[in-house]
Amino acid sequence: QVQLVQSGSELKKPGASVKVSCKASGYTFTNYAMNWVRQAPGQGLEWMGWINTNTGNPTYAQGFTGRFVFSLDTSVNTAYLQITSLKAEDTAVYYCARVNIAAATTELDYWGQGTLVTVSS
Amino acid sequence: QSALSQPRSVSGSPGQSVTISCTGTSSDVGSYNYVSWYQQHPGKAPKLMIYDVSKRPSGVPDRFSGSKSGNTASLTISGLQAEDEADYYCCSYAGSYTFVFGTGTKVTVL
Repeated sequence: QVQLVQSGSELKKPGASVKVSCKASGYTFTNYAMNWVRQAPGQGLEWMGWINTNTGNPTYAQGFTGRFVFSLDTSVNTAYLQITSLKAEDTAVYYCARVNIAAATTELDYWGQGTLVTVSS
Repeated sequence: QSALSQPRSVSGSPGQSVTISCTGTSSDVGSYNYVSWYQQHPGKAPKLMIYDVSKRPSGVPDRFSGSKSGNTASLTISGLQAEDEADYYCCSYAGSYTFVFGTGTKVTVL
């Protein structure tokens, strides 16, 4: 069955970096792009962007350029989100979610369980 | 890209129907029939409930339905049940391989 399994919670100090992983199984990894979605405490969902798992080409939403980097390791069917120069306002749950690029669909049909990143001194 | 506008909360008694609106612009909701809806229970990951405005994934009860008119999409839950109490988010394709979520609506079953 399809699964997206994310890495565990992280506690980081301001200015540090964090790398969140999202390991996919149960489907052909390169048929689905991987999206990243942020949810700050008590807030709504925010689309951060996505990465094409065929080409490795990322697309970043406004507000998520510069310190946010999407990457892949297709040998282990894993997508990564790296955030550098962390700020307190980066404290949030980060989700990965797939979309079927092979079929050119737009719905996020499977989601990871979420990774809580806490930034605090 | 601004978030799509949803009411903060809606409520209904068991068995009643509730409708959640999702208002965007002619650049997102109004231009594409690619609106999806997600249900999120507290502490859980979102779950796809509706895609392409009105299609239901396998396993989603048929009391969930979607529609769109102009720049506004809607999600209707008929025959409201206790387990439907959750947050709901709309999401629209916005062109150039970008997406935008709605502000979210809390559904309360009275």
